Amino acid sequence: EPEVTQTPSHQVTQMGQEVILRCVPISNHLYFYWYRQILGQKVEFLVSFYNNEISEKSEIFDDQFSVERPDGSNFTLKIRSTKLEDSAMYFCASSDILNTEAFFGQGTRLTVV
Amino acid sequence: GDSVTQMEGPVTLSEEAFLTINCTYTATGYPSLFWYVQYPGEGLQLLLKATKADDKGSNKGFEATYRKETTSFHLEKGSVQVSDSAVYFCALSRSSGGSNYKLTFGKGTLLTVNP
Repeated sequence: EPEVTQTPSHQVTQMGQEVILRCVPISNHLYFYWYRQILGQKVEFLVSFYNNEISEKSEIFDDQFSVERPDGSNFTLKIRSTKLEDSAMYFCASSDILNTEAFFGQGTRLTVV
Repeated sequence: GDSVTQMEGPVTLSEEAFLTINCTYTATGYPSLFWYVQYPGEGLQLLLKATKADDKGSNKGFEATYRKETTSFHLEKGSVQVSDSAVYFCALSRSSGGSNYKLTFGKGTLLTVNP
């Protein structure tokens, strides 16, 4: 069964460093999303991406964040100058042209120290 | 803004017990409602959904009915198994142009089923 894969599963970074979280969506999907879950809190929408551009973003998704689809398979989330409060589980998701169901990856746990 | 409130966990049950996890929502218009499940070490998986009032979503013995009058979407299962141990998330989505899957989640409820 096709699945969304995320790498790495766990990343530790020092405060102020840049990190790139990687996702490989399901191959025929056209809509892509990033969500995050700070420990003990709700899963929160960050951004959606369609047709090579951001279609919607939340208040959380400020200039510190960016997304990119650098080739036909990867979808990345870049976090510049990481802060302690960026520590969270980050989930990637994708959906097909009918946009009837979002498929999620297993998540990347980011720890900023 | 939109919000989802689900019962706090953790919930611990014995095998074959009846399960209810309460979920209520606040949203304008007519959202779609979902339950997602996260098994240990895995990603979020769609368990069931309902797209309009009085719809019942069902899958793997789980059911939830979209109740607009009470703004609720409670998850139920008549007889849980050890393999149902997971975190369950209630969520809603309102169509927003090209981002129909902008989901608003509840906090999640950890379910542990003991043999």
